[in-house]
Order: sequence, then structure tokens, then C-alpha cells
Amino acid sequence: ETGVTQTPRHLVMGMTNKKSLKCEQHLGHNAMYWYKQSAKKPLELMFVYSLEERVENNSVPSRFSPECPNSSHLFLHLHTLQPEDSALYLCASSQGIQGAYQPQHFGDGTRLSIL
Amino acid sequence: GIQVEQSPPDLILQEGANSTLRCNFSDSVNNLQWFHQNPWGQLINLFYIPSGTKQNGRLSATTVATERYSLLYISSSQTTDSGVYFCAAGGISNFGNEKLTFGTGTRLTIIP
Repeated sequence: ETGVTQTPRHLVMGMTNKKSLKCEQHLGHNAMYWYKQSAKKPLELMFVYSLEERVENNSVPSRFSPECPNSSHLFLHLHTLQPEDSALYLCASSQGIQGAYQPQHFGDGTRLSIL
Repeated sequence: GIQVEQSPPDLILQEGANSTLRCNFSDSVNNLQWFHQNPWGQLINLFYIPSGTKQNGRLSATTVATERYSLLYISSSQTTDSGVYFCAAGGISNFGNEKLTFGTGTRLTIIP
């Protein structure tokens, strides 16, 4: 139990569907992250939120839309995805983002398959 | 940005053996973390070790920041140690926030 919970664990969707991934952290952290892990590639940072403000968007296509309503919850809204978007999506949280260099704690991920 | 290289890419060992995994990074960092991803995809933080040496049971890690490398030692390997070990090095992005760059990992397989 890492203190970061992601739902759903698995998701299969068509290219025209709209779905959302959810992440919740119970660690009292101030920063949350979305990563994408594709086969045989390093984890790629997608978005960073600090105190509910987006501080980084790492050239992610607009078909991925993040939302951070409060410091404990992070969503990734998906629409009109492509087959190459099939991957493991990991959420992480940390205590801070500037000067703190705190460890990041990861959720178990959502394995997304696009048909 | 920071480049992170891990070696070896794959490692197959008999249960009980010891192993050393290496991580080289291209620039000075203030954050260096080791993670283990098990066969079910769960990513667990093993060490936060920007410098020095830490030990946790059969695992230990050493980072020599001045020479830009880190080592992860696994002693008396068990089958549950199988998975992919990632090194991630952190710096500051253009936005001023910490940004971890992950290596491609070392896939460790422990054979009973």
C-alpha cells in the first residue's frame, strides 16, 4: 500500500469513447504527477500539479486533459485516443516540487488499451 | 535535459546470487531515486539517494554524485526480487519544478 490509489486498474476503450482515470493520494502531499509507460520505453512525465495548479505540460496531445480539483485528487480525462496511446498510466505524488526533492510515491497504475 | 543510462539491460540470476545494477547520469542532480516495478506493474520507491549510501535489508544503494553514478546492490536474491529496476534522476525543469528523468531500466529475473 503506497498511499496512492488509482482507478480503474484496467480500461479498454474505443477510439471514440470518453473516459477518465482517477488518482487519489492519502499522504498529505502537495504535488501530483501523471506518467505514461509504454512498452520498452522509459517512463514519460506528462503533467505536474502543485497545490492544484498545473506547473508542467510535457508536450502532451490535447486528447489528454488533466484536472486537479484539490491536492488529494488528480484526474486524466481521455477522448478520441489513438492505438499508440495504449500504455500503463501511472500517478505519483510527492511532498513538494521546489527545493524539497522529495521521493515520489506511485500508484499501481491504470493499464489502458485502445481498440 | 538529463540523460539517464542503466546497465545491464537484462540480468538473469540463480536464487541466492548477488547483483549490482548501475545508473549513470549526465549532469549534476539533487535527486536520485531507485524504483522496483514488479511483474504486475506496481512501482515501488526503494531509495531516495542523491548522495551517500543507504541500506534496507538485502538491498543497498550508493550514489557518487561527483562522478555521476549510482549503484544498487541486491544480495541473496529471491524470486520476489524479479522485475524491472528503474533509476530516476532529478533536476529542475524550465517551469522551476523538480522533474525526474527515468532510465530504461534493468530487467532482473531470478530463477529458483
